[in-house]
Amino acid sequence: AQKITQTQPGMFVQEKEAVTLDCTYDTSDQSYGLFWYKQPSSGEMIFLIYQGSYDEQNATEGRYSLNFQKARKSANLVISASQLGDSAMYFCAKRPRNTGGFKTIFGAGTRPFVKA
Amino acid sequence: DTGVSQDPRHKITKRGQNVTFRCDPISEHNRLYWYRQTLGQGPEFLTYFQNEAQLEKSRLLSDRFSAERPKGSFSTLEIQRTEQGDSAMYLCASSHDIEAFFGQGTRLTVV
Repeated sequence: AQKITQTQPGMFVQEKEAVTLDCTYDTSDQSYGLFWYKQPSSGEMIFLIYQGSYDEQNATEGRYSLNFQKARKSANLVISASQLGDSAMYFCAKRPRNTGGFKTIFGAGTRPFVKA
Repeated sequence: DTGVSQDPRHKITKRGQNVTFRCDPISEHNRLYWYRQTLGQGPEFLTYFQNEAQLEKSRLLSDRFSAERPKGSFSTLEIQRTEQGDSAMYLCASSHDIEAFFGQGTRLTVV
C-alpha cells in the first residue's frame, strides 16, 4: 500500500535556526509529485513546495527547500531562518503524475514549535 | 477571486440526520477534490471531479456519502444518516495544474 511516513510528531526549534521535517514514502508509481503543505491552527492547508520525481534539481521556494533523495524515497522539507509564524502543522503528500493528478495521499504531519 | 470557499464552516447535527456541504472552487479550476481530516491525522482522499465528471471515489466514501458537481463549478457533499464516526473536518480543494488550493473546511460534529 502507498504510504507517507512522518516520524516527528512535534519538535522545538529556536527562532532563526533551520529545521528539517522528515518525510519518507512508499510508491509503485513511475512518475509522481511530492508536496508539502502547512496547516495553521485556523485550518486551511497552504501549499508550500512541489518536487517532481523526475526533476533533477531539488525544489526551493523562498525559505523552503526540499531535500529529495529518490533512491531512499525521502522528501524532507528544510525551513531556513525559522520564524515564530512557522509554528504550525506540516504535511508531506504524494500524488501520481500520470493519472491526471488526483488521489493525493498525506502523512500524519509534523508540528514544529518555534521559540524565541 | 478569493480562493476556495466552503460553506458552512461549522455544522453540528444529531446522529441520523442528513447534512450537505458546499464548495466553490477557484473559478478557472477544472479539478475539484474532497478530503476528510480527523484530529491528529492528515487529510484522506474522498473523491475527485474533473469538470462535472466524478472520476474517482475512495472506498472511504460509503453509500451514505454522495458528491456532485452538476455544472462543473461548485460541488456538494451530502452525508445521509450521519454517524458519530463522521465527525471530522471536510476539506475541498481545486486545481488547474500541479498546485491544489484548499478551502478552510467544514467542521462536522455529530452528537
